[in-house]
Amino acid sequence: EVQLVESGGGLVKPGGSLRLSCAASGFSFSGAWMSWVRQAPGKGLEWVGRIKSKSDGETVDYGAPVKGRFTISRDDSKNTLYLQINSLKTEDTAVYYCTREFYGPGNYWGQGTLVTVSS
Amino acid sequence: DIQMTQSPSTLSASLGDRVTITCRASQSISNSLAWYQQKLGKAPKLLIRETSSLETGVPSRFSGSGSETEFTLTISSLQSDDFATYYCQQYKSCWTFGQGTKVEIK
Repeated sequence: EVQLVESGGGLVKPGGSLRLSCAASGFSFSGAWMSWVRQAPGKGLEWVGRIKSKSDGETVDYGAPVKGRFTISRDDSKNTLYLQINSLKTEDTAVYYCTREFYGPGNYWGQGTLVTVSS
Repeated sequence: DIQMTQSPSTLSASLGDRVTITCRASQSISNSLAWYQQKLGKAPKLLIRETSSLETGVPSRFSGSGSETEFTLTISSLQSDDFATYYCQQYKSCWTFGQGTKVEIK
């Protein structure tokens, strides 16, 4: 059974940093392209970015709103995806989902982890 | 960047109604279009990929059509389980989501 479990969310002050994790199981993580998607309270889905597999160069792409402050990485030995967020802003408050891309869209999603940025 | 414009933002409908949601891309995305369903407090669920290919287990009352820049999600006969928010997504160039369409009970 495919499972994606996000963790690392919480309450952070503006300007702070956070690292989210996504533990994967039930599929070949090393061969998968993985994405992060966020959803602010009451709002729609926003693509944060993706990391390709090592065999595809481990290239990382980011959505325009998050370029420069967000870093996506992966540890295939731990079957884990990461999202490092620096200089947090109140507008980064959202549920952050990890998802496995499968020939384009995301066919498996985690349950999400809530990040709240507030003083 | 490719922009996705989805309409309507809210749709009120009754059980058994035929429902149509439209999604427009700012440039041609060929057939690289997916539809998701999201219920309150849950992760999105992939319904359709490549414009019209239903994911395994998705009821046949859901269908998708279109190409290039204009796409449609149709629910042929609305069921109680279908009241949710629907998002289109292009994956031709990275990902972009539409703003979402909330399908609510009339």
